[in-house]
Amino acid sequence: EPEVTQTPSHQVTQMGQEVILRCVPISNHLYFYWYRQILGQKVEFLVSFYNNEISEKSEIFDDQFSVERPDGSNFTLKIRSTKLEDSAMYFCASSPVGNEQFFGPGTRLTVL
Amino acid sequence: GQQLNQSPQSMFIQEGEDVSMNCTSSSIFNTWLWYKQDPGEGPVLLIALYKAGELTSNGRLTAQFGITRKDSFLNISASIPSDVGIYFCAGSDPPFGVRGGADGLTFGKGTHLIIQP
Repeated sequence: EPEVTQTPSHQVTQMGQEVILRCVPISNHLYFYWYRQILGQKVEFLVSFYNNEISEKSEIFDDQFSVERPDGSNFTLKIRSTKLEDSAMYFCASSPVGNEQFFGPGTRLTVL
Repeated sequence: GQQLNQSPQSMFIQEGEDVSMNCTSSSIFNTWLWYKQDPGEGPVLLIALYKAGELTSNGRLTAQFGITRKDSFLNISASIPSDVGIYFCAGSDPPFGVRGGADGLTFGKGTHLIIQP
């Protein structure tokens, strides 16, 4: 069964550094999303992406964040200058045309 | 922003028992989804609900979309050890009548299900 994949599974970085989190959505899906989950808390929406542009973004998704679909398969989340509070699990999700969003296994980001 | 209130926060049950959890919102959602998350993994979609009053089953799981569009419940019958995990409700509110789209999901805080042998 097709799955969303994410790399790396764990990223450790120093405060102020840039990180890029990578995702490969399910191949015939058209909508892509990023979410984050701070340890022990609920999953929070960051951004959605459709037709090569951002469709919706939350208040969390400020100028430090950007997304890109550099080729036909990858979908990336960049954090330009990481802060301690960016430490969280980051989940990529994709959807065909409905609201059924399928999540990847996540990348654990640790900012030191 | 929109808030989902999920209860109970945790449940301690015996294997074989039935489980019921619910989610309420102060605002209307047009789609309700239920996910299960195991430690260190991503949420796995269990059931999707699109229509007020809809009752949908997936094996031992049954979920309903409330008539008011402001609530949903999930039942698990005859629980087994692998049911352990955190169950999240999630809602989205695309424009009425439009299914799908790029709307982000609003998640509840989860119900932590623990099964005692």
